[in-house]
Amino acid sequence: AQSVTQPDIHITVSEGASLELRCNYSYGATPYLFWYVQSPGQGLQLLLKYFSGDTLVQGIKGFEAEFKRSQSSFNLRKPSVHWSDAAEYFCAVGARAAGNKLTFGGGTRVLVKP
Amino acid sequence: EAGVAQSPRYKIIEKRQSVAFWCNPISGHATLYWYQQILGQGPKLLIQFQNNGVVDDSQLPKDRFSAERLKGVDSTLKIQPAKLEDSAVYLCASSLALPTNYGYTFGSGTRLTVV
Repeated sequence: AQSVTQPDIHITVSEGASLELRCNYSYGATPYLFWYVQSPGQGLQLLLKYFSGDTLVQGIKGFEAEFKRSQSSFNLRKPSVHWSDAAEYFCAVGARAAGNKLTFGGGTRVLVKP
Repeated sequence: EAGVAQSPRYKIIEKRQSVAFWCNPISGHATLYWYQQILGQGPKLLIQFQNNGVVDDSQLPKDRFSAERLKGVDSTLKIQPAKLEDSAVYLCASSLALPTNYGYTFGSGTRLTVV
């Protein structure tokens, strides 16, 4: 069975500072990996996804993530955070063998200080 | 293109009552998912449809939850009778059946409060 762990429940960062959110997954084969963002009262918006190929993936809103197979990780980064990045971020793993369903981590809430 | 439509946006019911949620996926999306998101947690898959057939309902509490997608388009999720622990946001998502596309689009969800 696939699983996802996001070790940080909350992260507070100053506006303009860099941000890194951690994600570790467990799956026997090569997974499909995703990062979603959820603003209060909103649905989930896809930031980026990794299927294969280049392990550094670029997404929307200036986010990027790096797939590291040896560490079973898919950490999300942004060089300079804006106040509008305050939201909850979810890492998810999917697999064709699992019927394409997504398994989500528990989420990391990001607070941005002015 | 129009997104995934869900209604209602909010619902408050008393425990032991019944409730139904509706979802209309993106046109042409064969796969439809219902996820439950309890406050402070990530979404958890309840049921997955491919056209009008069920692909995975292993985490659906079948004693109280039911879902259908009769014509392979829109879908209804029902809870009867509701319990306090059913308070959550119910998210509907749809996608094409191609894994390399993985065009997963989520609706805004229905927030259910059971009192």
